This record gives sequence, structure tokens and C-alpha cells, in this order.
Amino acid sequence: AQSVTQLGSHVSVSEGALVLLRCNYSSSVPPYLFWYVQYPNQGLQLLLKYTTGATLVKGINGFEAEFKKSETSFHLTKPSAHMSDAAEYFCAVSSGAGNNRKLIWGLGTSLAVNP
Amino acid sequence: DTAVSQTPKYLVTQMGNDKSIKCEQNLGHDTMYWYKQDSKKFLKIMFSYNNKELIINETVPNRFSPKSPDKAHLNLHINSLELGDSAVYFCASSQDLRLGANVLTFGAGSRLTVL
Repeated sequence: AQSVTQLGSHVSVSEGALVLLRCNYSSSVPPYLFWYVQYPNQGLQLLLKYTTGATLVKGINGFEAEFKKSETSFHLTKPSAHMSDAAEYFCAVSSGAGNNRKLIWGLGTSLAVNP
Repeated sequence: DTAVSQTPKYLVTQMGNDKSIKCEQNLGHDTMYWYKQDSKKFLKIMFSYNNKELIINETVPNRFSPKSPDKAHLNLHINSLELGDSAVYFCASSQDLRLGANVLTFGAGSRLTVL
């Protein structure tokens, strides 16, 4: 069965510092991978996704993620954190096929940005 | 114009009561979902409908009954509310759940508090 592991339920960085949120997945087939962000008191929204092709994927708000098949990882990075990046971040992998397809979600990583 | 709108945003009710949450999407999507997010931010899919047909029905108590009158609407009715039902319920929609790169658009959430 496919699964998603997000290392670190809480990450704290200083404003301007590098953001690195880790995601590892297990999948028996080439995966479709996603990062979603949830700002306080809001619904989730897509940050970026990997389907096929280029392994470095750029998303909104300066975030990017790199698909590394050999490491089964899809870590999310941003070179310089901004206060507005404080949010909950979810990694997800698409599992199954046809009507059985669904998203397998990680437990989320809460990002705090300190002034 | 809100893409996925759900009402009400907040619900406070007593144990044993019955309540409904409504969801509407104006994106022309074929698939709609209900998710439950607990106090630890864990996301659990409850149901998904594709063109008014129930596709995913996870292990959810039968006190929860979804209804999709048309593909733009998916409502959730909960009977005999229990303390453990307290959570944020998210409605989401997507083009077609059978697509691997299926991207979900979420509503803002409905926070249910059972006293």
C-alpha cells in the first residue's frame, strides 16, 4: 500500500532562512505527488505537483520541490522564508486507479516563521 | 465568485442533534468530496461522488449520510451527533478523481463543535 511520511510535525525557521519540509513516499508505480498548503482558518490549496518530466517542480509563492526516485522523496523548499509562509503543509501521493484512485495524505508539517 | 463554497462556516450544537452542511462548486468539476480534519490537522477522506454517483465511502459511521442532488452540490447530513464528531469538515471538488494528476479545490471548511 502506498504511504506518505512527513518528517517533522513542526518546523520553525527565521524570516529569510531556507525552508525545507521533508516528504517521503512509498509507491509501487511512478507516483503523482503533491504539496498542499493550509493557511490558518482556511481550506487547503495546491502549492505544486509532480506528474512526469522535469523532476524539479516550481510552485506558487516561491516554493519548489524535487522528485528523487532513488530516495523516494519529494522535499519542499523555499530559499527565503517570509512571515506569510506560516501555515500547515501537506504532502500527498495519488494512489490506485480508476474509481479506486484517491489521495494518500501525510500528517502535515506546521511551519512557523520567526521574525 | 467562490469556487467551492460550504455553509455554514461554524456549527455549535448539542450531542444527539442532527445537522447538515451544504457544499456547492461552480468549477464544472465532476467529482466532489467530504474530508474530516481533526484537532491534530489529520485529514481523512469520508466520501467522494463522481457525477452524483457515490465512489468512495470510507469507514464512516452510518450516521453520516452524503447526498448529491446534482454534480455541483454535495451535502452532508449527520444524525445523532457525538462529541467525537467535533472537527472541521472540508468539501472539495476536482475535475475527475480517476485522473492521476487530479487536483483538489477545497472549500474554506465548516467547524463543527458538539457540546
